[in-house]
Amino acid sequence: SQTIHQWPATLVQPVGSPLSLECTVEGTSNPNLYWYRQAAGRGLQLLFYSVGIGQISSEVPQNLSASRPQDRQFILSSKKLLLSDSGFYLCAWSPLGEQYFGPGTRLTVT
Amino acid sequence: QKEVEQNSGPLSVPEGAIASLNCTYSDRGSQSFFWYRQYSGKSPELIMSIYSNGDKEDGRFTAQLNKASQYVSLLIRDSQPSDSATYLCAVTGKLIFGQGTELSVKP
Repeated sequence: SQTIHQWPATLVQPVGSPLSLECTVEGTSNPNLYWYRQAAGRGLQLLFYSVGIGQISSEVPQNLSASRPQDRQFILSSKKLLLSDSGFYLCAWSPLGEQYFGPGTRLTVT
Repeated sequence: QKEVEQNSGPLSVPEGAIASLNCTYSDRGSQSFFWYRQYSGKSPELIMSIYSNGDKEDGRFTAQLNKASQYVSLLIRDSQPSDSATYLCAVTGKLIFGQGTELSVKP
């Protein structure tokens, strides 16, 4: 069966610091991968999606970036965090239309 | 107009009642529809998918789709306190999520 991992689970970072969140999927090959952000009390905002290694599409231009160095690895990064980057970051994978989410990383920027 | 719209709630129902959650979408070309449940502080969990007009039942859950009216709903029969969560509607082409409806089931 497929499993999706995210780490860290929680993170507190100061404004202006860098960020790296990692997502890995087990039990499948060449999945579509997605990064979402959910601000407190808000819906899901799609940030990036990837259909293969090195192939990244950005949905929202901002100070975040994503990379897919390996088939089942998806990384979300920032060089300098803003207060508005606080939120719940979710990685998801998709075999077809539906998506399955990882446990998420709760980021607080102080 | 938002691409996928849901009433934010909260929707409060007594234990044992039927909870009805509604979702409308704007893209007439949408083919696949999903309902996710999200407990507070947790990630969304897929609970139902529906692709054709009509009803689809899975245990206490029934998804209903009406493409002509661009409307999809989720019925939860015999609601339990453990059903208290936010329910997200999602629609393809590119998966678009609604804002979610918060459901509270009172014992």
